[in-house]
Amino acid sequence: ETGVTQTPRHLVMGMTNKKSLKCEQHLGHNAMYWYKQSAKKPLELMFVYSLEERVENNSVPSRFSPECPNSSHLFLHLHTLQPEDSALYLCASSQVEGPETVYGYTFGSGTRLTVV
Amino acid sequence: DQQVKQNSPSLSVQEGRISILNCDYTNSMFDYFLWYKKYPAEGPTFLISISSIKDKNEDGRFTVFLNKSAKHLSLHIVPSQPGDSAVYFCAASVTNTGNQFYFGTGTSLTVIP
Repeated sequence: ETGVTQTPRHLVMGMTNKKSLKCEQHLGHNAMYWYKQSAKKPLELMFVYSLEERVENNSVPSRFSPECPNSSHLFLHLHTLQPEDSALYLCASSQVEGPETVYGYTFGSGTRLTVV
Repeated sequence: DQQVKQNSPSLSVQEGRISILNCDYTNSMFDYFLWYKKYPAEGPTFLISISSIKDKNEDGRFTVFLNKSAKHLSLHIVPSQPGDSAVYFCAASVTNTGNQFYFGTGTSLTVIP
């Protein structure tokens, strides 16, 4: 496996379910991200794990809970979601080497989530 | 408030002609910009970047222009090919803020054979 792998590719869940999205990167990067892509909206940064620190967008509801057990794996735990949470959830990774370096992201293919 | 804007949701261009995709930003602190390309059912892939110390960066058929005074950047694809049909996202970042990027809403490009 190379790059950034996300599973599952598609997920349909009820509002009372609990599920998890998984992301794995094989690039040796030290930062991982969760983004949400809704129709006609910009990609929305949800969570960042960079250099073992977590940064989050304060507007993300608590029904989304990230977990990053190591630099290669990232999870997004979902519980009691709402239909408006239906979207494409993208995982990305990058290398962070210091304040003056900027590297682009490598994205996974995403998980298409539908909440019914 | 949306800091990166792509005001054209879609664009159609004839094969062989030039495609010009536009992006505007509001944060004057942005100093690094990327373009991503996304096919259906795939994640975005990096296309080309530009730092604010430059006003142009070229890579094959793809050229990005940056106008800092206007807070505007554009992606030129010439000649356009049917395989270029995809959604193109503009993204911007401020160096020294932890490699976080702000994305536009994307422009869907269709290249007509």
